[in-house]
Amino acid sequence: SQKIEQNSEALNIQEGKTATLTCNYTNYSPAYLQWYRQDPGRGPVFLLLIRENEKEKRKERLKVTFDTTLKQSLFHITASQPADSATYLCALTDGGTDKLIFGTGTRLQVFP
Amino acid sequence: DTAVSQTPKYLVTQMGNDKSIKCEQNLGHDTMYWYKQDSKKFLKIMFSYNNKELIINETVPNRFSPKSPDKAHLNLHINSLELGDSAVYFCASSRGDRVNQPQHFGDGTRLSIL
Repeated sequence: SQKIEQNSEALNIQEGKTATLTCNYTNYSPAYLQWYRQDPGRGPVFLLLIRENEKEKRKERLKVTFDTTLKQSLFHITASQPADSATYLCALTDGGTDKLIFGTGTRLQVFP
Repeated sequence: DTAVSQTPKYLVTQMGNDKSIKCEQNLGHDTMYWYKQDSKKFLKIMFSYNNKELIINETVPNRFSPKSPDKAHLNLHINSLELGDSAVYFCASSRGDRVNQPQHFGDGTRLSIL
């Protein structure tokens, strides 16, 4: 069956450290993978998009990798800050149907 | 100034009622979506419209009927509400109808069925 898995448990890290979030998928062949941030009571906010032929994408303190062999994307936040605390969702394209399929998200808590 | 706006933000109603949620985007995007986020925070596509034409219609009960009067608006009407319809409903929009575009979300409508 098709699955997108993100760490269901919250990730707690200290301010200044690098947060690494994982997105693993099964039985998909996505051409694109996106990462979103969601704060409580708010809608998801787009962060980064990476294509299947890109290994890595960066934006300020954010970095995304996409390994189509491992069927995995890693999302890194360097020099993390308490303001980075939120739920982070990965989403991939379901090539046959052109839909965006979301993972269940990982809650990140950055403490001072 | 808001890019994607939904109304109402909260909707509390009784089982069996009919209700509508409205969505508007001022980004000039061609494609709009409705998603449902359940109590486990799982976000799932329901419908997608491109230039007022339905392009994605997931396995959703036909009590849910989207309507797009123009490409800036996508409303969701729900008939005969059931307890299982309780969730947060998000509207989103994107440029073009391909999923290589970022999607911009509203802040959701929290629907509670009594």
